Amino acid sequence: NAGVTQTPKFRVLKTGQSMTLLCAQDMNHEYMYWYRQDPGMGLRLIHYSVGEGTTAKGEVPDGYNVSRLKKQNFLLGLESAAPSQTSVYFCASSSGIAKNIQYFGAGTRLSVL
Amino acid sequence: AQSVAQPEDQVNVAEGNPLTVKCTYSVSGNPYLFWYVQYPNRGLQFLLKYITGDNLVKGSYGFEAEFNKSQTSFHLKKPSALVSDSALYFCAVRRWGSGGYQKVTFGTGTKLQVIP
Repeated sequence: NAGVTQTPKFRVLKTGQSMTLLCAQDMNHEYMYWYRQDPGMGLRLIHYSVGEGTTAKGEVPDGYNVSRLKKQNFLLGLESAAPSQTSVYFCASSSGIAKNIQYFGAGTRLSVL
Repeated sequence: AQSVAQPEDQVNVAEGNPLTVKCTYSVSGNPYLFWYVQYPNRGLQFLLKYITGDNLVKGSYGFEAEFNKSQTSFHLKKPSALVSDSALYFCAVRRWGSGGYQKVTFGTGTKLQVIP
């Protein structure tokens, strides 16, 4: 049972480059989320999705785009990477809003030089 | 607005001693409260939650948490700490309610160090 899988695990980008982070879940969850984790900041929600074909902005959406073309996948894109986007990115999914236990992937460590 | 405060960046405890990781929250209405644990280079894992009912909630790995509405606290506890409990612990809150997505707010995390 894979749960939530994130690829890649590590990436180094130069300022201005673009990339896409992939999140895949095999639990048939409706809700998916992208967070970033920075020291002393906890987890901050970037974007989320409440179902296939839907996306919405979280707390810190600027500089990121997302897509949810298939229920099991949630993609996070950086169009023009900036050093401020150096962070650890986590994807999560949950089956419903009421109890909202989130299942997290192992994270992607991104450095932007 | 809702918020979570974890007042201690780090908690050190000797193996075998009881441990407490503190969390206070602010939310309008009734809260859903959660504790998650993060081991090095891993994602967060769910430990326990409070929705309603008994103020003492039991979770995974022998952890429990006590909901105190008057003090707006949800402290994580364990009677006897293990070295393997050393990790980063996050408290989270969500406003109780229906009708669309309700944001979950995470605290900044508390590093628990259990000393052999």
